[in-house]
Amino acid sequence: AQKVTQAQTEISVVEKEDVTLDCVYETRDTTYYLFWYKQPPSGELVFLIRRNSFDEQNEISGRYSWNFQKSTSSFNFTITASQVVDSAVYFCALSGIQGAQKLVFGQGTRLTINP
Amino acid sequence: ETGVTQTPRHLVMGMTNKKSLKCEQHLGHNAMYWYKQSAKKPLELMFVYNFKEQTENNSVPSRFSPECPNSSHLFLHLHTLQPEDSALYLCASSRGGAAGANVLTFGAGSRLTVL
Repeated sequence: AQKVTQAQTEISVVEKEDVTLDCVYETRDTTYYLFWYKQPPSGELVFLIRRNSFDEQNEISGRYSWNFQKSTSSFNFTITASQVVDSAVYFCALSGIQGAQKLVFGQGTRLTINP
Repeated sequence: ETGVTQTPRHLVMGMTNKKSLKCEQHLGHNAMYWYKQSAKKPLELMFVYNFKEQTENNSVPSRFSPECPNSSHLFLHLHTLQPEDSALYLCASSRGGAAGANVLTFGAGSRLTVL
């Protein structure tokens, strides 16, 4: 069975600090996708990134970066120089390759950035 | 309108009522999903429709009845619900099919309270 664990339930930091959100996953599939979604107070989940299990290169997008390590089954997300607008619940998720398969989510990490 | 639209945004109903949640997507996607988000629980997949056919029913009680008349619309019919069914119900869509890559676009959700 597939499982995603986000051990950090809540994180609170002061603006401009760097913060890393942890994600550990379990799957028996040899190929899979990993995702991060952001859920601001408005409620809708916003897609941030998708990573194919074949591609272990780290990715950077502005202040966001992702560290995928297959050896430890982890897909961590770092926000550099955090801003108040980054406050949200962040979800890590895992799915198979075929379309419309299940997307298994972690429990989410509530991130609060204080001014 | 663009994206995924859910109505109503808030719904309060008694246990004997019958109501429906509506989801509409304007993205040309072929797969649509219902997720349930309860406090302190991971997002739970309820139903998946791929090209109007139900491809996943995640052991959801029969008091929840989905309907997908076409690839753009998805309904969740509710009847004789229990207070523990109070939650945020999120609709999502994706390209679906064999070439799909599971990037889901979510609506803002319908907050349901069962009295």
